Amino acid sequence: DAGVIQSPRHEVTEMGQEVTLRCKPISGHDYLFWYRQTMMRGLELLIYFNNNVPIDDSGMPEDRFSAKMPNASFSTLKIQPSEPRDSAVYFCASSLGTLAKNIQYFGAGTRLSVL
Amino acid sequence: GENVEQHPSTLSVQEGDSAVIKCTYSDSASNYFPWYKQELGKRPQLIIDIRSNVGEKKDQRIAVTLNKTAKHFSLHITETQPEDSAVYFCAASPTLHPSGGYQKVTFGTGTKLQVIP
Repeated sequence: DAGVIQSPRHEVTEMGQEVTLRCKPISGHDYLFWYRQTMMRGLELLIYFNNNVPIDDSGMPEDRFSAKMPNASFSTLKIQPSEPRDSAVYFCASSLGTLAKNIQYFGAGTRLSVL
Repeated sequence: GENVEQHPSTLSVQEGDSAVIKCTYSDSASNYFPWYKQELGKRPQLIIDIRSNVGEKKDQRIAVTLNKTAKHFSLHITETQPEDSAVYFCAASPTLHPSGGYQKVTFGTGTKLQVIP
């Protein structure tokens, strides 16, 4: 398996623009997580899905952020409108929730810069 | 919810010395404690984990200990090497809820380890 695949790897945009980050989880995994990583706040869980259904979005910072998972192999995180403080590395991770352990496999991340 | 605290935030050691990173957690229901390593510019990757029914686990140069009574757990790296330089994250999680629901993993704030050659 190729692992969790994220795109794009780098995104530079201007304040006010819409940004869409994409994630393909590991085939067969039934949990998908979106994280944001910054120097100040570390690794923050934004939202997670189980079987394509959002379970906990309490970490989504505000209404400008939205996430979808239309099918088991694809998820998006959208920021509209983007702001400079959204600049961070965004990670997607997936796991197989039926295991006794909650091992999460991370994608390579998307480095977002909002100018 | 769960709160995980991690110390120190930065740690510098000479090559060959040992490094210890400590974490505490708040939720007594947590029973799974993974450690992730993130090299510069890379993704976090699991390096070792421990369940609450085990007090210590070793894998070559790394070991984790767990004190469930005190709600703290530690990562020990012996004979450190330059390639151990990275940010290390501890985490805590209850495993699958009895009702079938998933309990999320809560990460610590990370420790930047620098091994000086």
